[in-house]
Amino acid sequence: EDKVVQSPLSLVVHEGDTVTLNCSYEVTNFRSLLWYKQEKKAPTFLFMLTSSGIEKKSGRLSSILDKKELSSILNITATQTGDSAIYLCVVELNSGYSTLTFGKGTMLLVSP
Amino acid sequence: GAGVSQSPSNKVTEKGKDVELRCDPISGHTALYWYRQSLGQGLEFLIYFQGNSAPDKSGLPSDRFSAERTGGSVSTLTIQRTQQEDSAVYLCASSVLAGGAKTQYFGPGTRLLVL
Repeated sequence: EDKVVQSPLSLVVHEGDTVTLNCSYEVTNFRSLLWYKQEKKAPTFLFMLTSSGIEKKSGRLSSILDKKELSSILNITATQTGDSAIYLCVVELNSGYSTLTFGKGTMLLVSP
Repeated sequence: GAGVSQSPSNKVTEKGKDVELRCDPISGHTALYWYRQSLGQGLEFLIYFQGNSAPDKSGLPSDRFSAERTGGSVSTLTIQRTQQEDSAVYLCASSVLAGGAKTQYFGPGTRLLVL
């Protein structure tokens, strides 16, 4: 059975801290790994990772994939209260169409 | 207004009633997906449409759940004889093409509460 495991499940930090969110996966027919940020209801897309060892960066957020270790990390530097959200790690399978397997998410709370 | 839209935003219903949830995908997106997010659970895949056909219905939890898509655009998820365990946020997503690594864009979801 395909599965995606995220850790920690929840995290509380102070503004300005740096956080690292972890994701590991066991799936058949891996195509890509995606990170989403979920505030309120709709997840919003952050990164798509397909190649191992290549960091993707967007402002204070960055992410990297390790296909050997079947894992990925999402880093957020200089956290702000607006970063408070659930961060979802999602693996896309090579199924002929875009089949997604979701982790349960890491709930991040950034306190002022 | 280019995003995925869903309606209603919130729905409260009584156990045993039928409900219909609507999704308007991004114009031109041929693939459409329905997911369910129950409290404390991850996102759960329900059904996928390519155009008007649904090649994968494997995630529908029971025969009380059905979905259709018409004109390659709007989709409706119907839950018959609702049960309390159906309470969840129902999310719809669309993407440009079914194959290849294509980003799915999510709608705001419908929060369903079955009393």
